[in-house]
Amino acid sequence: GIQVEQSPPDLILQEGANSTLRCNFSDSVNNLQWFHQNPWGQLINLFYIPSGTKQNGRLSATTVATERYSLLYISSSQTTDSGVYFCAVEGMSYGQNFVFGPGTRLSVLP
Amino acid sequence: DTAVSQTPKYLVTQMGNDKSIKCEQNLGHDTMYWYKQDSKKFLKIMFSYNNKELIINETVPNRFSPKSPDKAHLNLHINSLELGDSAVYFCASSQDTRRGGKAFFGQGTRLTVV
Repeated sequence: GIQVEQSPPDLILQEGANSTLRCNFSDSVNNLQWFHQNPWGQLINLFYIPSGTKQNGRLSATTVATERYSLLYISSSQTTDSGVYFCAVEGMSYGQNFVFGPGTRLSVLP
Repeated sequence: DTAVSQTPKYLVTQMGNDKSIKCEQNLGHDTMYWYKQDSKKFLKIMFSYNNKELIINETVPNRFSPKSPDKAHLNLHINSLELGDSAVYFCASSQDTRRGGKAFFGQGTRLTVV
């Protein structure tokens, strides 16, 4: 099945800093999404982005499907950005499910 | 209105018991999923249902059985609970993800087996 890697595994930032999170995947994908799991455990869908670039406020994401990676940018980070960021992909073969990467744990310090 | 809701939020039970977790979605989605999140936060798919048919059944113990009375509900039944079943279980739903369906998750059920 498709493999998903994320880097870095852990990231500590001072409030106001910018950061880039990376997701690499091993095969062509139909679907790629970024999720944020907040400290209370809730999983929030940030982006559906199998290719191209999207922006939503301080967050933006870019997926280069031909090179099998996606980037999540967080600008002017806030303490509420803390949590775990997951990339999830679905391969192109029928019946493949969403496979989650191991996540990047982000801590934003005041 | 909560889009994907799970009950209960917390479940503490003894080894050997049988328990169920319920999930309902009001988004009109075709596909529902169950994921298990372990203590290291790794999320692993357990089951997915599309239009009431199981489309992928990952290698989970047969003590776990998904039951879908209709496309808005996907319940998870667990027999003979073991200590290793302790985890957070998430239900999710999406429209066909091959056509750009975003996945939405419930709030999770923290299962503790003692």
